[in-house]
Amino acid sequence: DAGVIQSPRHEVTEMGQEVTLRCKLISGHNSLFWYRQTMMRGLELLIYFNNNVPIDDSGMPEDRFSAKMPNASFSTLKIQPSEPRDSAVYFCASSLTGYEAFFGQGTRLTVV
Amino acid sequence: GENVEQHPSTLSVQEGDSAVIKCTYSDSASNYFPWYKQELGKRPQLIIDIRSNVGEKKDQRIAVTLNKTAKHFSLHITETQPEDSAVYFCAAFFNDYKLSFGAGTTVTVRA
Repeated sequence: DAGVIQSPRHEVTEMGQEVTLRCKLISGHNSLFWYRQTMMRGLELLIYFNNNVPIDDSGMPEDRFSAKMPNASFSTLKIQPSEPRDSAVYFCASSLTGYEAFFGQGTRLTVV
Repeated sequence: GENVEQHPSTLSVQEGDSAVIKCTYSDSASNYFPWYKQELGKRPQLIIDIRSNVGEKKDQRIAVTLNKTAKHFSLHITETQPEDSAVYFCAAFFNDYKLSFGAGTTVTVRA
């Protein structure tokens, strides 16, 4: 298994544009986490899915952020419209038991 | 609450010396405590974890201790090497799924 795969690795976009980040889970895993990492705030949990169902989205900053899990192996995080303060590294992580979380390589988002 | 506090924020040690990072957590129901290592520009990777039914776990030069009564756990790295230089995060599970991270410790091993 190639592990958790995220795309794109880097994204530079202009303020106001829509951004979609993608994540492919490890086969067989049933839990999916989206994290955002910044120097100021560290690693923040944005949303957690279990068996494709969003369980906790209390970390989603605002309505501009949305996440979906259309099937058991794939998830998207969308920001619309994007703002410069959204610039960060976004990680997704998957697990089987909800314990050992395996991280993807991350997407470095820059909004100019 | 779901807070995890981590200290120190930076740690510089001489190669061969030991490094200790300490974390405290707020929810007494937490029962799983992983530690992640993140090298510059890379993803966090699990290096060791401990569950609440044990007080200590060791894997070669790395050990973790847990004091559930005091709600704190620590990472110990012995005989540090340059490749140990990285950012280390402690974490605790809340509500059986929410993995909350400490702020991270930047460890620098001086040759």
